[in-house]
Amino acid sequence: GQQVMQIPQYQHVQEGEDFTTYCNSSTTLSNIQWYKQRPGGHPVFLIQLVKSGEVKKQKRLTFQFGEAKKNSSLHITATQTTDVGTYFCAGLTTNAGKSTFGDGTTLTVKP
Amino acid sequence: GAVVSQHPSWVICKSGTSVKIECRSLDFQATTMFWYRQFPKQSLMLMATSNEGSKATYEQGVEKDKFLINHASLTLSTLTVTSAHPEDSSFYICSAPSSGASYEQYFGPGTRLTVT
Repeated sequence: GQQVMQIPQYQHVQEGEDFTTYCNSSTTLSNIQWYKQRPGGHPVFLIQLVKSGEVKKQKRLTFQFGEAKKNSSLHITATQTTDVGTYFCAGLTTNAGKSTFGDGTTLTVKP
Repeated sequence: GAVVSQHPSWVICKSGTSVKIECRSLDFQATTMFWYRQFPKQSLMLMATSNEGSKATYEQGVEKDKFLINHASLTLSTLTVTSAHPEDSSFYICSAPSSGASYEQYFGPGTRLTVT
């Protein structure tokens, strides 16, 4: 079945440093979504990418969808302590009709 | 945005008893809801897809007789963990997709189940 792999599993950064998490799918995706889960909380939708090569920005966050629609990345510029949490990608294939979540990348930020 | 609630937020039960968890879409209708299980520091594992008015679709390896799902209305899905055992202790989260084509999922706050 479809697999979605995410790396790294953990990332510890100093406040102000940049952070990137990568997501790779074993199959071509219809779209990819990114979620953030704060410690003790539930996943919250951040963004969806649909087009091949698409790049979207949300303030300090930059999301990319690969040309082959099999990989994606989330980059945070100048991390802040409020960025702490686990970031999940979720890939959707049309025929599956449901999303497969990556394992998540847990970000900790040292002030 | 759309809101999904879950009840209870946490529950402790004795081994062998059954526990029912409710998932409600508060301001929108959801013909489909998803039930996930999440272990500490791990990803969300899809257990089943709940379909309003029909049987749930279970993922491979999930026992349908142990995890009973009922989606009786367009705003309510329930997950019943039957004859719970300590290994069923986990964080259970439901989600409902948006009504648009984006399939954005709105997650409930989750239910922490502890089986003693």
